[in-house]
Order: sequence, then structure tokens, then C-alpha cells
Amino acid sequence: EAQVTQNPRYLITVTGKKLTVTCSQNMNHEYMSWYRQDPGLGLRQIYYSMNVEVTDKGDVPEGYKVSRKEKRNFPLILESPSPNQTSLYFCASSPLGTGGLNQPQHFGDGTRLSIL
Amino acid sequence: DAKTTQPNSMESNEEEPVHLPCNHSTISGTDYIHWYRQLPSQGPEYVIHGLTSNVNNRMASLAIAEDRKSSTLILHRATLRDAAVYYCILQIQGAQKLVFGQGTRLTINP
Repeated sequence: EAQVTQNPRYLITVTGKKLTVTCSQNMNHEYMSWYRQDPGLGLRQIYYSMNVEVTDKGDVPEGYKVSRKEKRNFPLILESPSPNQTSLYFCASSPLGTGGLNQPQHFGDGTRLSIL
Repeated sequence: DAKTTQPNSMESNEEEPVHLPCNHSTISGTDYIHWYRQLPSQGPEYVIHGLTSNVNNRMASLAIAEDRKSSTLILHRATLRDAAVYYCILQIQGAQKLVFGQGTRLTINP
């Protein structure tokens, strides 16, 4: 089954304790992206990757890191989490169509992070 | 980023058609119109997308105005499982992201 898998689904942690949210897709997609969803602000892009070893900042990258060492994986790293990073996070992937990103994105089921 | 305007909420009845409107008056000639929906406790799910012509798939139809300044997502026969937030999104040519607005919360009455 084609899917985007995020782990963990839920995490409660404390300020300053490094954490990683994993994202894996089994569709051989080039493009992967991380979003956060907050009430009243909708979904906002954090980072994206066009292919292996190619990553770039989205709209709200501060406080986050990503890496793309393999095509299928795109982990989101919070080196020193803070309470304002409490949010619902989604990973997405898609193939790259002609001329750029005109292909549907597939989303994971989300990771709810609470930073105390 | 090009903006879309959608009603905050809409309500319909089961087994009836639903027309979800979207205004995008600042759309440029190469922007694609995407629709996604988000069911409770799930990630967004792709519904349909198009550029100029009307589009149909197994989930819905997309009707695009001739001047492309508005579009309508049509669910032909709503079910309770179609209750979700529906997002109309312009995918800007050359920009590698989708910009989600607030969407329309669709309620389906039994």
C-alpha cells in the first residue's frame, strides 16, 4: 500500500531535549516536505526536499533541521525544542512532474508534539 | 503567494450534490488549482486539480470558470464520510509548495 509513515504519532517532551520525527514514503517520490498545523494559522511549510541531499527552507524553518540522505526518508529534527513548537506536524511526498511540482501530494497521518 | 477565498463553512444533506466555491481573482496563467480535504484526525488528502479545463475523477469534479478567477468543487452525491475541511489551493508555477488557507468546513447531515 502506498503510504507516508510518520513516527511517533504522539510525543510529550520537555524544553531543550532533542527529538527527531521520522518520515518514510514507499512511492519512490522525489519531493518531500514538512508542514506544521496550528489553529487559526492553517498548514505552513517548514522545509522541503527536491531529491536526495537537496533541502530548502519553507515559510517557518526556525528551530528545525532536516536531512535527506535516502530518497525514502526525510526526518525532522528539533535540536532544542521550545513550547512554541507544540503543534501538529505533517510529512508529505509527491513525484515531480514536468515543470515542477504539479503532482498531488500524499500526506502522513500526523505527529502531535507537545513541548512542556 | 496567490490567495484563495472560501466560505468558512457549508452544510449539506446526505446523498445530495455539494458545490464548494473558491475565488482566486489573482491567479496567473500558469497556476494550477488544487483541492485537498482533511478528515478529522487525518492528514490532508488530495481530491482533484486542474489548470483550465473542467476535470473529473472518481472523487469529485472541478469546474473552472472561463476567466479562471473562480472554481467549484462538486461532490456529486455526498456521504457522511465526506464531512471534512476542504482546501482550495493555488500551486504557483515554479514554487515548490502548497499554500493552505483556512478552508471550508463541510458538514453533512444524515
